Amino acid sequence: GQQVMQIPQYQHVQEGEDFTTYCNSSTTLSNIQWYKQRPGGHPVFLIQLVKSGEVKKQKRLTFQFGEAKKNSSLHITATQTTDVGTYFCAGRNYGQNFVFGPGTRLSVLP
Amino acid sequence: DAGVIQSPRHEVTEMGQEVTLRCKPISGHDYLFWYRQTMMRGLELLIYFNNNVPIDDSGMPEDRFSAKMPNASFSTLKIQPSEPRDSAVYFCASSSGGTGNGYTFGSGTRLTVV
Repeated sequence: GQQVMQIPQYQHVQEGEDFTTYCNSSTTLSNIQWYKQRPGGHPVFLIQLVKSGEVKKQKRLTFQFGEAKKNSSLHITATQTTDVGTYFCAGRNYGQNFVFGPGTRLSVLP
Repeated sequence: DAGVIQSPRHEVTEMGQEVTLRCKPISGHDYLFWYRQTMMRGLELLIYFNNNVPIDDSGMPEDRFSAKMPNASFSTLKIQPSEPRDSAVYFCASSSGGTGNGYTFGSGTRLTVV
C-alpha cells in the first residue's frame, strides 16, 4: 500500500534559525496536505498542494510539491517559539484517502 | 461555527468495559473520519463516512470496534470490550466536498484503559 515518510523525526532549532521537513511518498500523489499539531492539541490543516512543482507561501512558511508529485517540503524561515509542534504531511493517491506521515516534531529553543 | 465537537475529552475505563466516543461534525460537512493516534503508530484512519454511509472501515482494528453515523450531525465509535492496547487519542474529523479537501479535526478523546 501507499506509504508516506517524513524526515527528520525530530528537529531542535534555536529561535531565529530556519527549519525544513521533507515528505516522501512511495507512489505518485494527486495532492498533498500539511497539518500542524501543537503539543496536547489536534492536527490543524495548513495547506493543500495539487500541481506538480507548486510552491505556496504562508508568511514565514513555504510549501513545495515536487515535480514528480512524490515528495514535498515545508520550510519555516526564522523560527519562533510559536512554531513548536509536530508537522504532518498527508498524501493522497487519486480517488483514495489521505495517508498521514509520521510527522516531524519541532522544538524551538528561545 | 463551533468546529468538530468530541466528547468526552478524557475517558478512563477498566479493561473489559464498553467505551463510546462521540462526535458532532461541522454542519454541512458531508465526510466524517475517525482516527486513532499513538506514539508508536502515529495517525491511523479507522473508518470514514460519506453522507452518513460508511465507505471504508478497513482501518478498524478488530470486531471489538464499531462506528455508526445515524444522522448528519452525530457519530459514535464504540469499543466493546476495551483492552489496554486500545489506549490512545481518538480524533474525529470532518470535511466538505470530497476526500480531497482539508480536514477539520476535533479536540480528541484521550482514552486510557487500565
